[in-house]
Amino acid sequence: AQTVTQSQPEMSVQEAETVTLSCTYDTSENNYYLFWYKQPPSRQMILVIRQEAYKQQNATENRFSVNFQKAAKSFSLKISDSQLGDTAMYFCAFGSSAGANSKLTFGKGITLSVRP
Amino acid sequence: GAGVSQSPRYKVAKRGQDVALRCDPISGHVSLFWYQQALGQGPEFLTYFQNEAQLDKSGLPSDRFFAERPEGSVSTLKIQRTQQEDSAVYLCASSFYRDRGSQPQHFGDGTRLSIL
Repeated sequence: AQTVTQSQPEMSVQEAETVTLSCTYDTSENNYYLFWYKQPPSRQMILVIRQEAYKQQNATENRFSVNFQKAAKSFSLKISDSQLGDTAMYFCAFGSSAGANSKLTFGKGITLSVRP
Repeated sequence: GAGVSQSPRYKVAKRGQDVALRCDPISGHVSLFWYQQALGQGPEFLTYFQNEAQLDKSGLPSDRFFAERPEGSVSTLKIQRTQQEDSAVYLCASSFYRDRGSQPQHFGDGTRLSIL
């Protein structure tokens, strides 16, 4: 079974600065997918970024980028030029590519607050 | 609609009552997932459908929980004889491909269930 660990319960960052959210995971699979989801108070989970484990290049999406270290099983999210709208809970998630069920295994999440 | 639709958005029930939660996935999405999210925690997998077939129900916490998707589109999660520990947000997600872990899951806004 896979596990996802987010050890930081909350973080705070000044608007326009950069913040990094940590995530580690454990799996015996070689091919899999990793995701960061954002959940604002409205509750809808919004996909921020995803990474395929077989790709060495780190994924980027505008102000969001990841540092994927496969050997260390680490998958951190960097948010550059933080904006007030980035305030939300952020969840790291693991998706297996094996079998027919591509369910996600989530970490406990981290609450990010962006200060004006 | 363009997104995953869940209803009701809020549900309050007395302990022992039965409840039914509805999920209307994105049109054409083959895969449908239900997750349970306790307060301040990450979502946890409940069950998975591929079209009308329920391929994985390993996350359902007890036999009081039952899910169906009879025509391969709308799904209903039913909880019988509700208990206080059933209080949580129930999230539904859908994705297009059957067994491609890379395909992002699109989430609804969830149903917040409160058992008194």
